[in-house]
Amino acid sequence: RKEVEQDPGPFNVPEGATVAFNCTYSNSASQSFFWYRQDCRKEPKLLMSVYSSGNEDGRFTAQLNRASQYISLLIRDSKLSDSATYLCVVTEYSSASKIIFGSGTRLSIRP
Amino acid sequence: EAQVTQNPRYLITVTGKKLTVTCSQNMNHEYMSWYRQDPGLGLRQIYYSMNVEVTDKGDVPEGYKVSRKEKRNFPLILESPSPNQTSLYFCASSPGQSYYGYTFGSGTRLTVV
Repeated sequence: RKEVEQDPGPFNVPEGATVAFNCTYSNSASQSFFWYRQDCRKEPKLLMSVYSSGNEDGRFTAQLNRASQYISLLIRDSKLSDSATYLCVVTEYSSASKIIFGSGTRLSIRP
Repeated sequence: EAQVTQNPRYLITVTGKKLTVTCSQNMNHEYMSWYRQDPGLGLRQIYYSMNVEVTDKGDVPEGYKVSRKEKRNFPLILESPSPNQTSLYFCASSPGQSYYGYTFGSGTRLTVV
């Protein structure tokens, strides 16, 4: 079983739609959780951290469920510019040494 | 501007010819790391460094070397590149605690023929 698993997609949704991604992780002792966005052939960029209480940043909402070991990302009112690959990232220690990336979920927003 | 700078952006080389990919950060970050990204395999960690003169292997260290003589620089060395090292490489840095995010360089696309 992979340490961090994501549905690879692609998700193809119309502009304005709401789309949700899930990510599961295998190590119950995992410490920190993030969503990154990666555009084609470019570097990953931090989208948002994920906290146990859930957090929101504009149209983006992230949730963490430690009991079930999954994190989610919800995008509301999707824009064409949201088309990208979304990477789930988990760190296993309090230091930054062991960070694990999911393989990513591709999202394509159509006009 | 706070950033991680990698060079070169693109490199085509021949099997066995030693090469170095440079990585430099201007944020005084303690932690630096190298990743390779391949289709279907995602990002895999090659080496990481928690501070000056402290380096450790990631998941795929074979065929690579690193050094951390100064806090800002973390070069990736391929002593004898082979075609299976053709990949997209990213350097990343972080202040050190896991609850901070990571800043990535723009990537180096390496082709070994």
